[in-house]
Amino acid sequence: AQKVTQAQTEISVVEKEDVTLDCVYETRDTTYYLFWYKQPPSGELVFLIRRNSFDEQNEISGRYSWNFQKSTSSFNFTITASQVVDSAVYFCALTYDGGATNKLIFGTGTLLAVQP
Amino acid sequence: DAGVIQSPRHEVTEMGQEVTLRCKPISGHDYLFWYRQTMMRGLELLIYFNNNVPIDDSGMPEDRFSAKMPNASFSTLKIQPSEPRDSAVYFCASSSLAGGPVGELFFGEGSRLTVL
Repeated sequence: AQKVTQAQTEISVVEKEDVTLDCVYETRDTTYYLFWYKQPPSGELVFLIRRNSFDEQNEISGRYSWNFQKSTSSFNFTITASQVVDSAVYFCALTYDGGATNKLIFGTGTLLAVQP
Repeated sequence: DAGVIQSPRHEVTEMGQEVTLRCKPISGHDYLFWYRQTMMRGLELLIYFNNNVPIDDSGMPEDRFSAKMPNASFSTLKIQPSEPRDSAVYFCASSSLAGGPVGELFFGEGSRLTVL
């Protein structure tokens, strides 16, 4: 069965600290896609990254980086030098059916609070 | 380009009343999803449409919930009669598999429903 686990419910850091958000997934598909979305206090969900199951290269975008490891079924998200504007709920998500549709299952989210 | 537009942004109603939530997807997108977000259950997929046709409604909680998509630019989610446990934020999202990233959902700002 498809499942996404974000074990960290809440994380609080002080500005400029690095922080890693964990995501562990379960899937029976050989082809699948993983995502991270950000939900700031305003409420809308914003797409951050998509990664397919055949691409295990780590990705860096500014202060954001993602580590995908199929061996441990993990897709972790690191924010370097966190800022107050990074405060949000972050969701990890997985395709239900190998990407045949755009149907996603979401984890329960991690609330990140960055204190000034 | 306009994003996904949802209305109303906030709705407060009394138990037993009918509630209708509306969504206008991004033009050209052929998938439309309705998600519900609560503290207890996180983000749950209720139903999704492809080319205006409902594909999977297995997430719809019960018969009190119904969704329609009469054309490519409009969808409704109706709750009749509403109950306090329906209180949640309801998100509409749209996407397209044609020429775009698999599974990148574009979310509206959500409709916050409170049933008293």
